[in-house]
Amino acid sequence: SQQGEEDPQALSIQEGENATMNCSYKTSINNLQWYRQNSGRGLVHLILIRSNEREKHSGRLRVTLDTSKKSSSLLITASRAADTASYFCATAYMDTGRRALTFGSGTRLQVQP
Amino acid sequence: DTAVSQTPKYLVTQMGNDKSIKCEQNLGHDTMYWYKQDSKKFLKIMFSYNNKELIINETVPNRFSPKSPDKAHLNLHINSLELGDSAVYFCASSQDRTGYGYTFGSGTRLTVV
Repeated sequence: SQQGEEDPQALSIQEGENATMNCSYKTSINNLQWYRQNSGRGLVHLILIRSNEREKHSGRLRVTLDTSKKSSSLLITASRAADTASYFCATAYMDTGRRALTFGSGTRLQVQP
Repeated sequence: DTAVSQTPKYLVTQMGNDKSIKCEQNLGHDTMYWYKQDSKKFLKIMFSYNNKELIINETVPNRFSPKSPDKAHLNLHINSLELGDSAVYFCASSQDRTGYGYTFGSGTRLTVV
């Protein structure tokens, strides 16, 4: 079954506003990653947070991880029209020997200029 | 230079045909993957190879056969194409099988008519 699920499925905001996307997952993880997908393109890796980390920053991105709630959030501050894309969380878990990222179905973010 | 390149970008074919999608990475990564993205944007792992060895083979019809002639190439051959095979197929690579950050190709949009 699907490991990661993003919420909301779609989000529309004005340029300059902050965008927050959430991800929930089901099993223990080694790390959680966020990816961006522009329309008609492949996914681009944004940021990785390990299971023993609670928060991580990269430029205008802030990721939090709460392993007790099995959830993560991605915050994009001061959004720009160019941030318009789908955002996916992906989890990596090794307890079953599985060695591939499991993705959710993404949040479609629209930033209005 | 393109890091992970897939060909073709678009593929339209009739039911029952056999087709192949090729993928090449110039990153020196050991591990490569095939993912299928459906119309709802959900990404599902199909296969993974590590140094030419098949390490993940999900529940995929045996009409799908991956081949990795060397660690820089991972091809996907599909026999007897069906309407339900229509999707976008993504190739990805990672440095090793721990999966810390994937690099994706731009995808192959397969349409079966």
